[in-house]
Amino acid sequence: ETGVTQSPTHLIKTRGQQVTLRCSSQSGHNTVSWYQQALGQGPQFIFQYYREEENGRGNFPPRFSGLQFPNYSSELNVNALELDDSALYLCASSMEGGYNEQFFGPGTRLTVL
Amino acid sequence: QQQVKQSPQSLIVQKGGISIINCAYENTAFDYFPWYQQFPGKGPALLIAIRPDVSEKKEGRFTISFNKSAKQFSLHIMDSQPGDSATYFCAASMASTEGAQKLVFGQGTRLTINP
Repeated sequence: ETGVTQSPTHLIKTRGQQVTLRCSSQSGHNTVSWYQQALGQGPQFIFQYYREEENGRGNFPPRFSGLQFPNYSSELNVNALELDDSALYLCASSMEGGYNEQFFGPGTRLTVL
Repeated sequence: QQQVKQSPQSLIVQKGGISIINCAYENTAFDYFPWYQQFPGKGPALLIAIRPDVSEKKEGRFTISFNKSAKQFSLHIMDSQPGDSATYFCAASMASTEGAQKLVFGQGTRLTINP
């Protein structure tokens, strides 16, 4: 069984740029959620994708967007980067439906200068 | 109210002792309560989880105690070992109106086990 993988591991961008982060879900999982974890904080829910559609969103502006592909992998795109976007971005995968455990990847550390 | 409040912020326990971390929530619509363990530079790893229809769940050295009426739940780590030193997060989950199961996390507890 392959776990959740994310790429890249680290990324440095400057304010105003755009970034794309990638996630491959665990084998057998068709739902992907994205979280932002600021230093010293708990993860914050950004959005969830199921069957290639966004089916839930947290308190994040529209410049945070995503995609899910037919193989259930996913992308997180952030436009017009701000300094406060510096964080660890986590992807979690789960099986269809509610009440299922979410398994996290190692994260992508984004630094915005 | 979507918050989950976690305490203490940091905890130091001697090897072999019991580590106890507490969480409280307000929203009675939460229906799934997991605990995650996170090491520096890694993603959170699911430790153990409970649903509100049971009051306790034990897996190895880890036990969740759940008090539905008080809207509180706690993690107990028995026979704590130096390898347990990590940051622990409680979380709560409920289905959103669109169907997403989103996790709401506590602020985290940095646990240090002294040898």
